[in-house]
Amino acid sequence: DARVTQTPRDKVTEMGQEVTMRCQPILGHNTVFWYRQTMMQGLELLAYFRNRAPLDDSGMPKDRFSAEMPDATLATLKIQPSEPRDSAVYFCAIPKSGRRNTGELFFGEGSRLTVL
Amino acid sequence: GQNIDQPTEMTATEGAIVQINCTYQTSGFNGLFWYQQHAGEAPTFLSYNVLDGLEEKGRFSSFLSRSKGYSYLLLKELQMKDSASYLCAINQGGKLIFGQGTELSVKP
Repeated sequence: DARVTQTPRDKVTEMGQEVTMRCQPILGHNTVFWYRQTMMQGLELLAYFRNRAPLDDSGMPKDRFSAEMPDATLATLKIQPSEPRDSAVYFCAIPKSGRRNTGELFFGEGSRLTVL
Repeated sequence: GQNIDQPTEMTATEGAIVQINCTYQTSGFNGLFWYQQHAGEAPTFLSYNVLDGLEEKGRFSSFLSRSKGYSYLLLKELQMKDSASYLCAINQGGKLIFGQGTELSVKP
């Protein structure tokens, strides 16, 4: 029951290269969260969008990271230039819809990034 | 700011009961979640507490005390497939902030 598709699933790149990760809510959604997971830091919130506008990107290194949500079916996270310390699994997540809005999130399968 | 603490790892025996604790200090609180994450997979929702007390769902139960900033996840009749990481998360103004997770190993 995949509500969110993330691409690429696995990416190996060299330091200095640009990396773009995509998040596609299957049925479209105006709210998207981006998380990064590493062994050292755990699951960290990078940024989130509501009504496709960035509400909070304080967790994101601004000098090299950028996030956009051009429409309800696509959110992107870009790293330029990439560095080895960016190696992590990047998850996007969307809120569960329904009358009871608890904040529960559905996560995509993640994009595993390795920067050499 | 926020601070969410969980034990890093726990080991338990198949068929037993295990309790995973989570303590938190946060400037805003709109509920507490537990997520399960198997190795190489995405986190999946287990439970949600917003009021004090116990929420039971099959073999899993979750407890919350807001005055103590404390929650636990109770897993009964442990199975090998319960080996996973368990993440405590606080809803802080509509965004989920996660603890580091507790790696649970279930042994035969």
